[in-house]
Amino acid sequence: TQLLEQSPQFLSIQEGENLTVYCNSSSVFSSLQWYRQEPGEGPVLLVTVVTGGEVKKLKRLTFQFGDARKDSSLHITAAQPGDTGLYLCAGAIGGANNLFFGTGTRLTVIP
Amino acid sequence: DAGVTQSPTHLIKTRGQQVTLRCSPISGHKSVSWYQQVLGQGPQFIFQYYEKEERGRGNFPDRFSARQFPNYSSELNVNALLLGDSALYLCASSLAFSLSGNTIYFGEGSWLTVV
Repeated sequence: TQLLEQSPQFLSIQEGENLTVYCNSSSVFSSLQWYRQEPGEGPVLLVTVVTGGEVKKLKRLTFQFGDARKDSSLHITAAQPGDTGLYLCAGAIGGANNLFFGTGTRLTVIP
Repeated sequence: DAGVTQSPTHLIKTRGQQVTLRCSPISGHKSVSWYQQVLGQGPQFIFQYYEKEERGRGNFPDRFSARQFPNYSSELNVNALLLGDSALYLCASSLAFSLSGNTIYFGEGSWLTVV
């Protein structure tokens, strides 16, 4: 059983379009992180959110943590081919020392 | 400063063999974690070591073991390899034991193929 479910699993869009990726769980997380992973490489941290309702922006990327700290979303505005990759959400529960990763969303942005 | 470094980057093993993967954390980081990422899935937690002691273990069989050295580098060992062990093995380092207020950084991983 996967603790974090991401949707959609695959997404192929044209350059310039907007998109939203969702990360959902029935568990409460003390923090949630979003990573992007390129083929053959390790995940690279994009953002960490820790407060319910928190919104963080990173250029064209907007991240939101749900009020109940059970879910999160990643919105990309005007997607570019360089945004192509696997997007992973990962949550920490309480004082645990490990991350629970989502199933991943594979994004392809077509020029 | 160097990031998390892992070796080897790629390797092929035969079923039943044993493999050792190595990881050097970011300088100053005392915590090292290992994750397994099977193709098409998110990473799954295997172990965490902090100050040379095992501090956490995921749902993996006893064929998986690890250790951390005085310089905080770490090795992951897998015995009696199965085809299903084929995966990207990721090492992550962080300053402290807890994830609270702490960021973990991943290496590029070691690709293991079991044939």
